[in-house]
Amino acid sequence: SAVISQKPSRDICQRGTSLTIQCQVDSQVTMMFWYRQQPGQSLTLIATANQGSEATYESGFVIDKFPISRPNLTFSTLTVSNMSPEDSSIYLCSVEWVQTGREQYFGPGTRLTVT
Amino acid sequence: AQKVTQAQTEISVVEKEDVTLDCVYETRDTTYYLFWYKQPPSGELVFLIRRNSFDEQNEISGRYSWNFQKSTSSFNFTITASQVVDSAVYFCALTFSGSARQLTFGSGTQLTVLP
Repeated sequence: SAVISQKPSRDICQRGTSLTIQCQVDSQVTMMFWYRQQPGQSLTLIATANQGSEATYESGFVIDKFPISRPNLTFSTLTVSNMSPEDSSIYLCSVEWVQTGREQYFGPGTRLTVT
Repeated sequence: AQKVTQAQTEISVVEKEDVTLDCVYETRDTTYYLFWYKQPPSGELVFLIRRNSFDEQNEISGRYSWNFQKSTSSFNFTITASQVVDSAVYFCALTFSGSARQLTFGSGTQLTVLP
């Protein structure tokens, strides 16, 4: 399986600022995903990030608020822009591991608190 | 549209009891994949199992077993002889074989195993 790391693991940020979250995978993967998990809730997909193309955003998420980069097959970043307390969540990246058939593995998550 | 329903919000059992977590899904696709993930208090999402729609064999892994029934669109998860370390939120998820392979998650079941 893939080993996925995220930075930072947690952060406390002030309203109006931006935070960039990094996701690093130890193997090359085609598909990477960014999810948000609000407190006590399930996971919601923010966007799909494929290398070499623009990220595809889900309904309710826009590029200006959550810009994503995918410069190569092992790395991606998600920026949470102009933050408000409603952005306080766990942000998780995941990758699809095609070697074993559509298994998706998740990073440890970034726990964001906006004050 | 896809949907995953985990009707049990919270379950509490005493250690060594067996417990079954229910998962019911909806999809129009004939080829799809079902998953179970465990999220302990640390927040990391741990992959437990993937099952494709053509494989209805039940699976057992140690104290864990899964019952997949296409006739009732269910993919239930049983923990035998539960332990305190099994306490976590468990998510059932679904994806399909198309190009957009993001996961659709259920709302999760909080399992508490009491000593």
